[in-house]
Amino acid sequence: NAGVTQTPKFRILKIGQSMTLQCTQDMNHNYMYWYRQDPGMGLKLIYYSVGAGITDKGEVPNGYNVSRSTTEDFPLRLELAAPSQTSVYFCASSPRDRGANEQFFGPGTRLTVL
Amino acid sequence: LAKTTQPISMDSYEGQEVNITCSHNNIATNDYITWYQQFPSQGPRFIIQGYKTKVTNEVASLFIPADRKSSTLSLPRVSLSDTAVYYCLVVKGLDSSYKLIFGSGTRLLVRP
Repeated sequence: NAGVTQTPKFRILKIGQSMTLQCTQDMNHNYMYWYRQDPGMGLKLIYYSVGAGITDKGEVPNGYNVSRSTTEDFPLRLELAAPSQTSVYFCASSPRDRGANEQFFGPGTRLTVL
Repeated sequence: LAKTTQPISMDSYEGQEVNITCSHNNIATNDYITWYQQFPSQGPRFIIQGYKTKVTNEVASLFIPADRKSSTLSLPRVSLSDTAVYYCLVVKGLDSSYKLIFGSGTRLLVRP
């Protein structure tokens, strides 16, 4: 199993541009999550999903959108990028029987908005 | 909403036992306590999870007192490779919407 994969690894955006961060997991996990981590800080939950077709906001959802059309994929969309969205973005997944307790994280996407 | 408080940093030496305590005064009945480890430029990695008393696995032990307002992650005989940031996380029960909050974590430095 590849686990949780994220693409791209790095990206530089100009203010006002849009992009989609891709996340795929091959563990058949029901739950998936998107976090952002600013330098020297902990992770903040952006959005999460408990299954295909179901998404919900986390702590910092403004400026982001998600969709969950399949169990495997959970893309994160940034519209009108702003410098405040410069961060490292982590996607994670967890199996239904573990809830949010044991999450498996991807390697992250480092995003810079200039 | 259960918020956690941890020491910002800790120093230790190889071979010592390290105990990192997390305070979570507002923990609710259905909440679990989970610890993650994060190395630079990597995503966090699950270490251990517990609800009450003591849990032990091949990596660490987790001690939770009866009132559950704090928890202590114990790393036996640390090595240089245990240098990382350790996060305490309180996770809502399965029947609640998730409000997962990672604190700033504890930066553990293990010296030779």
